[in-house]
Order: sequence, then structure tokens, then C-alpha cells
Amino acid sequence: AQRVTQPEKLLSVFKGAPVELKCNYSYSGSPELFWYVQYSRQRLQLLLRHISRESIKGFTADLNKGETSFHLKKPFAQEEDSAMYYCALSGPFSGGSNYKLTFGKGTLLTVNP
Amino acid sequence: NAGVTQTPKFRVLKTGQSMTLLCAQDMNHEYMYWYRQDPGMGLRLIHYSVGEGTTAKGEVPDGYNVSRLKKQNFLLGLESAAPSQTSVYFCASRRGSGGPHSYNEQFFGPGTRLTVL
Repeated sequence: AQRVTQPEKLLSVFKGAPVELKCNYSYSGSPELFWYVQYSRQRLQLLLRHISRESIKGFTADLNKGETSFHLKKPFAQEEDSAMYYCALSGPFSGGSNYKLTFGKGTLLTVNP
Repeated sequence: NAGVTQTPKFRVLKTGQSMTLLCAQDMNHEYMYWYRQDPGMGLRLIHYSVGEGTTAKGEVPDGYNVSRLKKQNFLLGLESAAPSQTSVYFCASRRGSGGPHSYNEQFFGPGTRLTVL
């Protein structure tokens, strides 16, 4: 069974401090990993996906297959980064099981001034 | 494009009442999904559809029914609402398979906040 674990429900940092939101997963194979963000009372939106190896809004995430982790990092947090962050997993893109996403329970990030 | 829209935005029901939540997308997406979001539980998949006329159960399907009569619409029904169904409901859609990796992205609606008394 596939599972996504976000060990921190809440994370509070000060503006300008580094931030790391942890995500661990279990999956028998090579999954695709995503980070979604939900700002207060808004819809979820894709922040980044591991396959793209991109940096969005200063955030990066590296897939570590050995540690089965996909932690989200930003060197200098901003107040506008305050939001709920969800890590999500799907089956490999080339397979037939990639149409469903499994979400973690989310981490609420608060960036204090 | 409006993207993914949901109707209504808010609703209060009494236990035992029924209602239908409507999700519409104008992106010609093949796949559509219904999730519920509860504090401390993240998003849980209720039902999904991989094409017009098809539906399948997700993680928490009990107490809900769905229909996908038209490609652009995905309806979620509660036949007899219970307080445990108080939640925020999100609809999402994505393109089908076989395309570039960008097809994996799910696009979400704004949510429907449902309270069952």
C-alpha cells in the first residue's frame, strides 16, 4: 500500500529563516512525488513535482529514494509562504496506476514577522 | 477559462437530508475526483472517474454516490446526510494518461463547505 507521511502538523519559523517541510513515503516501485500548497481558504494548487526538478517561489524538493523522502526546502522563508502544504504521491508516470494521488495529512507553515 | 468550479460554496443540512454537489471543468479533462478535507486528516479520495460514464470508489466512499454523465461534470450525492459528513469537499480534474508529465497535475476547485447538523 502506498502511504505519505508528513510528521509535522504545525511548523512555525521567523521571516528569513530556513524552512524544511518533511515528507516520507512508502511505495513498492518508483512513484511520482508532488507538493501542493493551499493558502488560507483557497483551493489547492501544485507547487512543484519531483520530475521537473524545478524551483518555484524559492522552494525546492529532492527525491531521495534511499531514504524514501521528498522534503520541501526554502532557504529564506517569507510571510507570504504561510499556508498548508501537502505532499502527494502517485504511481509511476509510465504505468497504469498514476491517476490517483495519495496525500499526506499536511503541514501548516506559519512564518512570523 | 474558469477551470474547475464547484456549486454550491456553502451549505448547511439537517441529518437525513439529501443534496448534490456539482463540479464542472472546462479544460476537457478526462479524469475527475472528489475529495474531502478534514482537520488533521488531509485530503481523502471519495470517488473518482477516468472518463465519461465511468466512476470508481476511492478511499472513503461510504455514504456518497457519484455520476459522470457528461465529460465536463462530476456530481457528488449525499442521500442521507450525517454529521460525520461535515467537511470541505474539493473536486479536481486532470488530463488523461499517455501525454507529457504535465498531465499528472490535478487542478482543484475552490471547495464546498458542508455542515450537517
